[in-house]
Formats: sequence, structure tokens, C-alpha cells
Amino acid sequence: EVQLVESGGGLVQPGGSLRLSCAASGFTFSSYWMHWVRQGPGKGLVWVSHINDDGSSTNYADSVKGRFTISRDNAKNTLYLQMNSLRVEDTAVYYCARVARDSGDYYWFDPWGQGTLVTVSS
Amino acid sequence: DIVMTQSPDSLAVSLGERATINCKSSQSVLYSSNNKNYLAWYQQKPGQPPKMLIYWASTRESGVPDRFSGSGSGTDFTLTISSLQAEDLAVYYCQQYYTTPRTFGQGTKVEIK
Repeated sequence: EVQLVESGGGLVQPGGSLRLSCAASGFTFSSYWMHWVRQGPGKGLVWVSHINDDGSSTNYADSVKGRFTISRDNAKNTLYLQMNSLRVEDTAVYYCARVARDSGDYYWFDPWGQGTLVTVSS
Repeated sequence: DIVMTQSPDSLAVSLGERATINCKSSQSVLYSSNNKNYLAWYQQKPGQPPKMLIYWASTRESGVPDRFSGSGSGTDFTLTISSLQAEDLAVYYCQQYYTTPRTFGQGTKVEIK
């Protein structure tokens, strides 16, 4: 079964840091581009970042550029999101998502993980 | 960035009736070289992650009931639920995967009338 399981969320003060992980199983992780998407409380879905299959190419939403870093360890089948200088507005459920096909990035997201909640508050 | 705008923000439909959700992109998501629209629809129920419904604007994901259908091309798209069931209560999102950043519509909440 294809599965993505996020972890690492929690409560952090403004200006703090957190690292999210997304453990992948049931597919050849190293063949797929991966994404992070977040959803603020009662809000819609917002794309955060993506990384290519071998980790050599990344991209970020303007709102997190310079503060967040996406990475992956293909040997461990794990995707990461290092979040620094956190702000109250970063409070959200963070989902990792895989692109649907193993031949590039221009595909829909499927599957999604269950999400991990990040709360930034003093 | 491509802006995705859904309408309406919410709609109440009687069980067994048709529900129609519209999605408009600020620029075309039709790739001329393969004639595919890079547009997906997701369903999200409370407390759950989004679930894939429709990709390439009109291709139903395996296992998705055939009461769900997608149509449209270029900048204007529609998700139709032909006969609303109680389990269809959810928020529905369109998303373009034509370019980065990936962008989503604001969501349409479907409720029972």
C-alpha cells in the first residue's frame, strides 16, 4: 500500500524552528517528485515547496522562501521540511504529497499524507 | 502565478440532485503540445487529507463513483456531481499543475439542503 506519514509537528514560539518528516512506503520513493502543502485553520490549500526525485532541484512559495528548506533522504525514504523563523501565520496542517507519476513533476498530487499540525504561538 | 477562482463558495443541494462547481484559471492550463488540461479536482472531508477525484480536467480517478464528472478546457472548468449522496458532503478544490507554484481554488463547500 502506498503510504505517506508525516511527523514532527507541534507548538513552537514565533521565531522558533521545527523539522517535519514524511515517511514514504509502498513505492519507489527515489523516482518521484514530492511536495509540501499547508492548510491554515479553516482555510484552503496552499502549496509550500517541492523537490525533484534526486533532491537536486527545489522550489518554494514566496511566503516561505529563505525560511523553509525542503530536502529528502532517498536511502531512508523520507522527505523533510526544515522550518526556521516561524511566524504566527505559518500555523497550519502540513501535508506531504507525491506526484501521481514517476516521470517528472507536472502531475496531480496522489497520495497525500494525513498531515501534521504546526502551531506557532507565544 | 496562476490564480484559481471557484464559484460558488458554498452550495446546498438536496439528496439526489445535481451539484455543479465552477473553476476559472487566470491563464490557460491547456498545454498545446499534448492537448491536455493540467487541472485536477480534489475532495476533502473534515479531518481528512484531500482525495484525488479528477485529473486532466475530465479523467476520473480509479474507484471514484461515476456520479462525479469533470469538464472544461483552457481557463474554465466544471465539476459535476450528478446525484448528490450524503457521503459527498465535503469541500471541493480545483488545482492547476501546469506551472509552479501549484495553485488551488479557494474551495467550495457542498452541503445538504
